[in-house]
Amino acid sequence: ETGVTQTPRHLVMGMTNKKSLKCEQHLGHNAMYWYKQSAKKPLELMFVYNFKEQTENNSVPSRFSPECPNSSHLFLHLHTLQPEDSALYLCASSQGRGTVYGYTFGSGTRLTVV
Amino acid sequence: AQSVTQLDSHVSVSEGTPVLLRCNYSSSYSPSLFWYVQHPNKGLQLLLKYTSAATLVKGINGFEAEFKKSETSFHLTKPSAHMSDAAEYFCVVSDRDNYGQNFVFGPGTRLSVLP
Repeated sequence: ETGVTQTPRHLVMGMTNKKSLKCEQHLGHNAMYWYKQSAKKPLELMFVYNFKEQTENNSVPSRFSPECPNSSHLFLHLHTLQPEDSALYLCASSQGRGTVYGYTFGSGTRLTVV
Repeated sequence: AQSVTQLDSHVSVSEGTPVLLRCNYSSSYSPSLFWYVQHPNKGLQLLLKYTSAATLVKGINGFEAEFKKSETSFHLTKPSAHMSDAAEYFCVVSDRDNYGQNFVFGPGTRLSVLP
């Protein structure tokens, strides 16, 4: 375990469903991130939270809605997704935004939209 | 703006032979550089990092990388490949933007290790 825990590990959902991905870290980090990893595409930064405040939203469609209730928890709420949203969603945390010390990643949630 | 190029999308080596994964970057400032490894269906694990100290950086599992500013390179090497090294490897540059530090990932290099 890296210290960043993501649940669930796998998720299959229909296009009309609503589901949420959860990320939790107890490393004392202040910044948390959502990344999307699709087959044969570079890692895409989706959202950045620093001290619970969203500092970046990289033109992510509104069907993805992040929530950061505290510095240890990060959620990604999903609704009316499309098949092309199927991917591995990775959560990461760091001590300070983009610190020189690197990110700690969770194991990801493999999402399949049917 | 910073960017990262990983020159090979796929590298295949035999077990016991050396590994070389190439990475070149562009950056406006003095960057920090990282290599991450991702095994199938897993998250990314930090292998090693360069943060303006020694230019030759040693990481986990016998990997090392050398920062060469004149060549803007940060290639990853290992003297002898093991079957468990088969994975995807990402080179990352951390640079400054208006928000502070920004991570930029390379596209990744898939390493195959043949018996």
